[in-house]
Amino acid sequence: KQEVTQIPAALSVPEGENLVLNCSFTDSAIYNLQWFRQDPGKGLTSLLLIQSSQREQTSGRLNASLDKSSGRSTLYIAASQPGDSATYLCAVEYGGSQGNLIFGKGTKLSVKP
Amino acid sequence: DVKVTQSSRYLVKRTGEKVFLECVQDMDHENMFWYRQDPGLGLRLIYFSYDVKMKEKGDIPEGYSVSREKKERFSLILESASTNQTSMYLCASSFYSLAVNEQFFGPGTRLTVL
Repeated sequence: KQEVTQIPAALSVPEGENLVLNCSFTDSAIYNLQWFRQDPGKGLTSLLLIQSSQREQTSGRLNASLDKSSGRSTLYIAASQPGDSATYLCAVEYGGSQGNLIFGKGTKLSVKP
Repeated sequence: DVKVTQSSRYLVKRTGEKVFLECVQDMDHENMFWYRQDPGLGLRLIYFSYDVKMKEKGDIPEGYSVSREKKERFSLILESASTNQTSMYLCASSFYSLAVNEQFFGPGTRLTVL
């Protein structure tokens, strides 16, 4: 069964710190990997999408990397801010899935001022 | 910007009622999805559709049905609501592409069944 795991489940850091969120998946034959942000009681906001042929994607202070062979992705957040506090979800799409995503359960990030 | 809207942010219904959750996207996406999100269980796919009048079961379709009469609109129907269907419901859409299927989500509907 294909599974996506995110560790840690929760993380608290002081403002200004650089941090890394981890995502691992059991089957390396992925199509795409997508990182989302979710604020409490809200929907998901797409942050970055990495295609299987890519190694990383960057958007502002965010950098996502993909290592298919080891079944891992990381989301790097530089110079964290209190506004970055949210739950971050990783999701994987496999070939033949018609665009369906398998989600991890997320890492809840708290950035303290 | 892609916009996915859901008909209600909060909804309270009684056990046994028929409930309709509506989702509309404005980006001409082929794919549309309904998920529910529960603490400790994460997001689980209920149904998805890759074309008008087409539907496919996801991981937890029991107790739900869907309707897609127009490309931009995907409805989730709870035929007879039960308390275990109290949850956050999220709709999403994406292009149907072999290469990139970035999903865009609506704001969610918090459904409470009493």
